[in-house]
Amino acid sequence: SAVISQKPSRDICQRGTSLTIQCQVDSQVTMMFWYRQQPGQSLTLIATANQGSEATYESGFVIDKFPISRPNLTFSTLTVSNMSPEDSSIYLCSVTGTGVGTEAFFGQGTRLTVV
Amino acid sequence: GNSVTQMEGPVTLSEEAFLTINCTYTATGYPSLFWYVQYPGEGLQLLLKATKADDKGSNKGFEATYRKETTSFHLEKGSVQVSDSAVYFCALSDQGYSTLTFGKGTMLLVSP
Repeated sequence: SAVISQKPSRDICQRGTSLTIQCQVDSQVTMMFWYRQQPGQSLTLIATANQGSEATYESGFVIDKFPISRPNLTFSTLTVSNMSPEDSSIYLCSVTGTGVGTEAFFGQGTRLTVV
Repeated sequence: GNSVTQMEGPVTLSEEAFLTINCTYTATGYPSLFWYVQYPGEGLQLLLKATKADDKGSNKGFEATYRKETTSFHLEKGSVQVSDSAVYFCALSDQGYSTLTFGKGTMLLVSP
């Protein structure tokens, strides 16, 4: 299993500013991901955070808007840049092993409100 | 692409009632199927899973059977408790991949 600490847990930000969310895992993991959960919607994968290389972004998400760092196997950050009210969501960090049916573990999420 | 469809909520039940939350999926190949639960104020946690057809996942009185013929993975519990009130997410992962495709989630509210 893995314990994930994510912070901040919530924030209210002004439009046009940026917020960096941190994700710390209690053990080394290969696979680390960032998801977004918009109000009333499902979780959508933003990107896979790769250690030592650029993140792999899903369709509809770009590095300029959501820069991601992964300096080691236990830590990652997601920045939401130049925020607008449409970015108001819950952002979740997730880690998993590899292989069929492997379980994913999630942080508690960051509830972001942009005003 | 992959997709997961689950029944909309909220589902409102009295304690000890029978629960079914429907989940159907679309995927290529043979995905693994999961139910995750999110209790109020907490992160998502795995409730149960199944990795091949006809497998039954079970945990905490909840069950779900991987039905390939109907591409379904319905969640059931024979007698719900107030403490089961949460949001339930059905999800799948392609064989060999670690990323998950989620349904929209179903809120369950259980009253005493």
